[in-house]
Amino acid sequence: ETTLAQSPAFMSATPGDKVTISCKASQDIDDDVNWYQQKPGEAPIFIIQEATTLVPGIPPRFSGSGYGTDFTLTINDIESEDAAYYFCLQHDNFPLTFGGGTKVEIK
Amino acid sequence: EVQLLESGGGLVQPGGSLRLSCAASGFFFSNYAMSWVRQAPGKGLEWVSSINGDTINTYYADSVKGRFTISRDNSKNTLYLQMNSLSAEDTAIYYCAKDQSGYSFGYFDYWGQGTLVTVSS
Repeated sequence: ETTLAQSPAFMSATPGDKVTISCKASQDIDDDVNWYQQKPGEAPIFIIQEATTLVPGIPPRFSGSGYGTDFTLTINDIESEDAAYYFCLQHDNFPLTFGGGTKVEIK
Repeated sequence: EVQLLESGGGLVQPGGSLRLSCAASGFFFSNYAMSWVRQAPGKGLEWVSSINGDTINTYYADSVKGRFTISRDNSKNTLYLQMNSLSAEDTAIYYCAKDQSGYSFGYFDYWGQGTLVTVSS
């Protein structure tokens, strides 16, 4: 099973900040990582696929990078509406696994 | 417009069973893989099970293998999750999620709003 270590678990940012979230895989998974955003009380939203590709309709301030075992979600010029939990998911092999999540608070 | 509507959640005693349903609309159901993802109260997301579009292949998390069964009826545009031998650890919101293609998994482009399963005596 591939485990994903996501960090930090919590972060607080000010509007306009650049935010980075890390997701480290326990083994090489190529670019088989997707990212999801989840706001409280809502279902998740698909934001990044295959590590770097922005899902259509997602604002371009979101971006992803990485390959192999280290992946990063970046939010440039963060806005108040970006307050949410963010989860990485590996789909390289079964069982599919999620990272533990990062809560992003906007001050 | 794609819509996924889960039903069948509720309160069940330990050792009991439930069957969840997910009614899909707005897309050609049989062309897409479907999955169940759950979230325990205050916790992160956990993938539970997936099934491809033509129902040939199914996959399960180790935590539910042998107890849960995923299935679909493409004539009814409905996804199911039969859950047996439930325990408190299965208490969660269960989301139905659509994949981007018939054989890709983890590309969940649409999600339902979830149905709450509570296992308690």
